[in-house]
Amino acid sequence: DADVTQTPRNRITKTGKRIMLECSQTKGHDRMYWYRQDPGLGLRLIYYSFDVKDINKGEISDGYSVSRQAQAKFSLSLESAIPNQTALYFCATRAPSNEQFFGPGTRLTVL
Amino acid sequence: QKEVEQDPGPLSVPEGAIVSLNCTYSNSAFQYFMWYRQYSRKGPELLMYTYSSGNKEDGRFTAQVDKSSKYISLFIRDSQPSDSATYLCAMAYIQGAQKLVFGQGTRLTINP
Repeated sequence: DADVTQTPRNRITKTGKRIMLECSQTKGHDRMYWYRQDPGLGLRLIYYSFDVKDINKGEISDGYSVSRQAQAKFSLSLESAIPNQTALYFCATRAPSNEQFFGPGTRLTVL
Repeated sequence: QKEVEQDPGPLSVPEGAIVSLNCTYSNSAFQYFMWYRQYSRKGPELLMYTYSSGNKEDGRFTAQVDKSSKYISLFIRDSQPSDSATYLCAMAYIQGAQKLVFGQGTRLTINP
Protein backbone atom coordinates (compact mmCIF):
# COMPACT_ATOMS: atom_id res chain seq x y z
CA ASP A 1 0.00 0.00 0.00
CA ALA A 2 1.15 3.51 -0.81
CA ASP A 3 2.36 5.58 2.14
CA VAL A 4 1.09 8.87 0.70
CA THR A 5 -2.11 8.79 -1.30
CA GLN A 6 -3.83 11.52 -3.25
CA THR A 7 -7.35 11.78 -4.63
CA PRO A 8 -8.38 12.36 -7.30
CA ARG A 9 -5.51 11.41 -9.60
CA ASN A 10 -6.93 13.40 -12.48
CA ARG A 11 -9.48 16.19 -12.54
CA ILE A 12 -10.86 18.43 -15.23
CA THR A 13 -12.90 21.39 -14.10
CA LYS A 14 -14.15 24.74 -15.29
CA THR A 15 -13.10 28.25 -14.40
CA GLY A 16 -14.76 29.46 -11.22
CA LYS A 17 -15.44 26.06 -9.73
CA ARG A 18 -14.30 25.10 -6.23
CA ILE A 19 -11.99 22.11 -6.15
CA MET A 20 -10.61 20.06 -3.26
CA LEU A 21 -7.61 17.79 -3.54
CA GLU A 22 -7.14 15.31 -0.73
CA CYS A 23 -4.04 13.74 0.74
CA SER A 24 -3.66 10.95 3.28
CA GLN A 25 -0.53 9.41 4.75
CA THR A 26 0.33 6.38 6.82
CA LYS A 27 3.94 7.32 7.56
CA GLY A 28 3.13 8.94 10.88
CA HIS A 29 4.91 12.16 9.93
CA ASP A 30 3.79 15.44 11.43
CA ARG A 31 4.96 17.56 8.53
CA MET A 32 2.90 17.68 5.36
CA TYR A 33 3.30 19.78 2.21
CA TRP A 34 1.47 20.75 -0.95
CA TYR A 35 3.45 21.54 -4.11
CA ARG A 36 2.57 22.30 -7.66
CA GLN A 37 4.81 21.34 -10.56
CA ASP A 38 4.87 23.14 -13.86
CA PRO A 39 7.16 22.51 -16.84
CA GLY A 40 10.26 24.67 -16.55
CA LEU A 41 9.37 25.89 -13.06
CA GLY A 42 10.02 22.79 -10.99
CA LEU A 43 8.30 22.20 -7.68
CA ARG A 44 6.82 25.22 -5.95
CA LEU A 45 5.56 25.14 -2.40
CA ILE A 46 1.94 26.16 -1.85
CA TYR A 47 1.33 25.42 1.84
CA TYR A 48 2.86 23.34 4.59
CA SER A 49 1.78 22.15 8.00
CA PHE A 50 3.67 20.89 11.03
CA ASP A 51 0.58 19.72 12.89
CA VAL A 52 -3.17 20.21 12.86
CA LYS A 53 -2.84 23.65 14.46
CA ASP A 54 0.11 24.86 12.43
CA ILE A 55 -0.47 25.95 8.82
CA ASN A 56 2.02 28.02 6.87
CA LYS A 57 1.96 29.70 3.49
CA GLY A 58 4.51 28.73 0.90
CA GLU A 59 5.78 30.78 -1.99
CA ILE A 60 2.59 30.60 -4.11
CA SER A 61 -0.37 30.40 -1.71
CA ASP A 62 -2.62 32.98 -3.42
CA GLY A 63 -5.79 31.35 -4.74
CA TYR A 64 -5.34 28.28 -2.53
CA SER A 65 -6.36 27.25 0.96
CA VAL A 66 -5.67 24.18 3.04
CA SER A 67 -7.14 22.19 5.88
CA ARG A 68 -5.29 19.80 8.20
CA GLN A 69 -8.10 17.60 9.42
CA ALA A 70 -5.85 15.18 11.29
CA GLN A 71 -2.21 14.22 11.45
CA ALA A 72 -2.78 11.92 8.50
CA LYS A 73 -4.91 14.20 6.31
CA PHE A 74 -4.11 17.44 4.53
CA SER A 75 -6.45 18.90 1.91
CA LEU A 76 -5.83 21.60 -0.67
CA SER A 77 -8.68 23.73 -2.00
CA LEU A 78 -8.93 26.02 -4.98
CA GLU A 79 -11.72 28.40 -4.05
CA SER A 80 -12.38 29.59 -7.58
CA ALA A 81 -10.27 27.74 -10.10
CA ILE A 82 -8.59 29.62 -12.94
CA PRO A 83 -6.79 28.24 -16.02
CA ASN A 84 -3.29 29.13 -14.79
CA GLN A 85 -3.85 26.74 -11.89
CA THR A 86 -3.64 23.91 -14.39
CA ALA A 87 -0.69 21.87 -13.10
CA LEU A 88 0.46 18.71 -11.42
CA TYR A 89 -0.12 18.85 -7.66
CA PHE A 90 1.86 16.82 -5.17
CA CYS A 91 1.31 16.17 -1.51
CA ALA A 92 4.35 15.18 0.55
CA THR A 93 5.30 14.29 4.08
CA ARG A 94 8.63 15.01 5.71
CA ALA A 95 10.70 12.88 8.01
CA PRO A 96 12.79 14.57 10.74
CA SER A 97 15.85 13.63 8.70
CA ASN A 98 14.65 15.94 5.86
CA GLU A 99 13.67 13.10 3.56
CA GLN A 100 10.48 13.99 1.75
CA PHE A 101 7.95 11.38 0.63
CA PHE A 102 5.69 12.33 -2.23
CA GLY A 103 2.29 11.13 -3.26
CA PRO A 104 1.57 10.07 -6.84
CA GLY A 105 0.22 13.48 -7.83
CA THR A 106 -3.04 14.95 -9.09
CA ARG A 107 -3.20 16.24 -12.62
CA LEU A 108 -5.58 19.20 -12.59
CA THR A 109 -6.87 20.89 -15.72
CA VAL A 110 -8.90 24.09 -15.46
CA LEU A 111 -10.76 24.97 -18.64
CA GLN B 1 18.74 34.86 -8.90
CA LYS B 2 17.29 31.53 -7.82
CA GLU B 3 18.73 29.93 -4.71
CA VAL B 4 19.26 26.68 -6.60
CA GLU B 5 20.01 26.47 -10.31
CA GLN B 6 19.69 23.30 -12.33
CA ASP B 7 19.91 22.90 -16.08
CA PRO B 8 16.51 21.58 -17.19
CA GLY B 9 17.97 19.74 -20.19
CA PRO B 10 16.71 17.68 -21.84
CA LEU B 11 19.75 15.45 -21.74
CA SER B 12 19.92 12.42 -24.02
CA VAL B 13 22.75 9.85 -23.83
CA PRO B 14 23.35 6.31 -25.11
CA GLU B 15 22.96 3.32 -22.86
CA GLY B 16 26.09 2.56 -20.88
CA ALA B 17 27.31 6.16 -20.79
CA ILE B 18 28.31 7.98 -17.62
CA VAL B 19 25.81 10.71 -16.84
CA SER B 20 26.61 13.84 -14.89
CA LEU B 21 23.80 15.96 -13.46
CA ASN B 22 24.57 19.19 -11.66
CA CYS B 23 23.16 21.92 -9.45
CA THR B 24 24.65 25.14 -8.21
CA TYR B 25 23.45 27.12 -5.25
CA SER B 26 23.98 30.61 -3.98
CA ASN B 27 23.50 30.30 -0.22
CA SER B 28 26.43 28.78 1.65
CA ALA B 29 24.07 28.03 4.56
CA PHE B 30 22.77 24.93 2.80
CA GLN B 31 24.07 21.88 4.65
CA TYR B 32 21.91 18.97 3.47
CA PHE B 33 21.72 17.86 -0.14
CA MET B 34 19.40 15.43 -1.83
CA TRP B 35 18.72 14.01 -5.26
CA TYR B 36 15.23 12.91 -6.20
CA ARG B 37 14.23 10.86 -9.23
CA GLN B 38 10.85 11.37 -10.83
CA TYR B 39 9.45 9.03 -13.43
CA SER B 40 6.79 10.29 -15.79
CA ARG B 41 3.39 10.62 -14.09
CA LYS B 42 4.85 9.71 -10.69
CA GLY B 43 5.89 11.59 -7.59
CA PRO B 44 9.57 12.25 -6.89
CA GLU B 45 11.40 9.63 -4.82
CA LEU B 46 14.58 10.12 -2.83
CA LEU B 47 17.66 8.71 -4.55
CA MET B 48 20.61 10.08 -2.59
CA TYR B 49 21.05 12.11 0.60
CA THR B 50 24.27 13.62 1.85
CA TYR B 51 25.34 16.36 4.23
CA SER B 52 29.08 16.58 3.85
CA SER B 53 31.48 17.56 1.14
CA GLY B 54 32.91 14.71 -0.87
CA ASN B 55 31.44 11.67 -2.55
CA LYS B 56 28.77 9.19 -1.54
CA GLU B 57 28.20 6.05 -3.54
CA ASP B 58 25.17 3.82 -3.82
CA GLY B 59 25.46 1.20 -6.54
CA ARG B 60 25.71 2.93 -9.90
CA PHE B 61 24.98 6.33 -8.36
CA THR B 62 27.48 8.76 -6.84
CA ALA B 63 26.53 12.03 -5.21
CA GLN B 64 29.23 14.65 -4.99
CA VAL B 65 29.15 17.83 -2.94
CA ASP B 66 31.63 20.69 -3.21
CA LYS B 67 30.62 23.25 -0.62
CA SER B 68 33.51 25.57 -1.44
CA SER B 69 32.21 25.93 -5.00
CA LYS B 70 28.54 25.61 -4.00
CA TYR B 71 28.12 22.83 -6.51
CA ILE B 72 26.60 19.37 -6.29
CA SER B 73 26.58 16.56 -8.82
CA LEU B 74 24.96 13.21 -9.37
CA PHE B 75 26.85 10.68 -11.48
CA ILE B 76 25.19 7.63 -12.99
CA ARG B 77 27.52 4.88 -14.21
CA ASP B 78 26.57 2.27 -16.79
CA SER B 79 23.34 4.14 -17.48
CA GLN B 80 20.28 2.08 -18.32
CA PRO B 81 17.05 2.97 -20.17
CA SER B 82 15.29 2.53 -16.82
CA ASP B 83 17.27 5.55 -15.56
CA SER B 84 15.27 7.75 -17.93
CA ALA B 85 13.50 10.21 -15.64
CA THR B 86 13.64 13.75 -14.32
CA TYR B 87 16.24 14.28 -11.62
CA LEU B 88 15.73 17.03 -9.06
CA CYS B 89 18.26 18.33 -6.60
CA ALA B 90 17.04 19.61 -3.24
CA MET B 91 18.70 21.36 -0.32
CA ALA B 92 18.01 22.26 3.29
CA TYR B 93 19.69 24.59 5.76
CA ILE B 94 19.43 22.35 8.78
CA GLN B 95 18.18 18.92 9.75
CA GLY B 96 14.48 19.21 10.35
CA ALA B 97 14.33 22.41 8.32
CA GLN B 98 10.89 23.73 7.53
CA LYS B 99 11.32 23.57 3.79
CA LEU B 100 13.43 22.04 1.09
CA VAL B 101 14.58 24.16 -1.82
CA PHE B 102 14.33 22.30 -5.11
CA GLY B 103 16.09 22.77 -8.41
CA GLN B 104 14.01 22.82 -11.60
CA GLY B 105 14.87 19.25 -12.48
CA THR B 106 16.84 17.80 -15.40
CA ARG B 107 15.02 15.55 -17.83
CA LEU B 108 17.25 12.59 -18.75
CA THR B 109 16.72 10.04 -21.51
CA ILE B 110 18.93 6.96 -21.90
CA ASN B 111 18.74 5.59 -25.43
CA PRO B 112 19.08 1.81 -25.94
